[in-house]
Amino acid sequence: EIVLTQSPATLSLSPGERATLSCRASQGVSSYLAWYQQKPGQAPRLLIYDASNRATGIPARFSGSGPGTDFTLTISSLEPEDFAVYYCQQRSNWHSTFGGGTKVEIK
Amino acid sequence: EVQLVESGGGLVKPGGSLRLSCAASGFTFSSYSMNWVRQAPGKGLEWVSSISSSSSYIYYADSVKGRFTISRDNAKNSLYLQMNSLRAEDTAVYYCARDLFRYDSSGYWESWGQGTLVTVSS
Repeated sequence: EIVLTQSPATLSLSPGERATLSCRASQGVSSYLAWYQQKPGQAPRLLIYDASNRATGIPARFSGSGPGTDFTLTISSLEPEDFAVYYCQQRSNWHSTFGGGTKVEIK
Repeated sequence: EVQLVESGGGLVKPGGSLRLSCAASGFTFSSYSMNWVRQAPGKGLEWVSSISSSSSYIYYADSVKGRFTISRDNAKNSLYLQMNSLRAEDTAVYYCARDLFRYDSSGYWESWGQGTLVTVSS
């Protein structure tokens, strides 16, 4: 099983600041990695797929990089609605796995 | 508008069974792979199972293999998850999720239902 390790567990930032979230895979997943945002009481929302492609309707302030084993989600300037939990997910084989999540909280 | 509505959750005793349903609307259901993803209370996301558009390909997480069965009825625009031999660790919100792309199973999930809570407890 491919293990995804996200860091940091919690990121405390102010609106307008840049957020950099990391996801490290236990083995190479090529570019088969996605990022999701989840707010309390809501279902996850797909942000990025194939490491760097924004999903439909996702603002340009969200960007992703990879490939290989080390991936990054960057939020260039945090908006109030961006404070949430973010998960990475790999689909390099048909047994998908998620990282443990990074909570982006208001400082 | 894409809509996925899960139902069938509830309280069940360890060793019991439950069948979840997901009613889909707003898109051509028969063209998309579908999936179940769960989230234990206060925990992260866990992929459970996937089924291709024509049911030709089915996959399960190791944690549920042999106990859960995914199926679909394209005529009824519905996805199902039959859960047997339930354990306390199966307690979670179960989400139904649609694949990102038509026909090609991308393994990414663009549309999600609001989830149904399954609680396994004596």
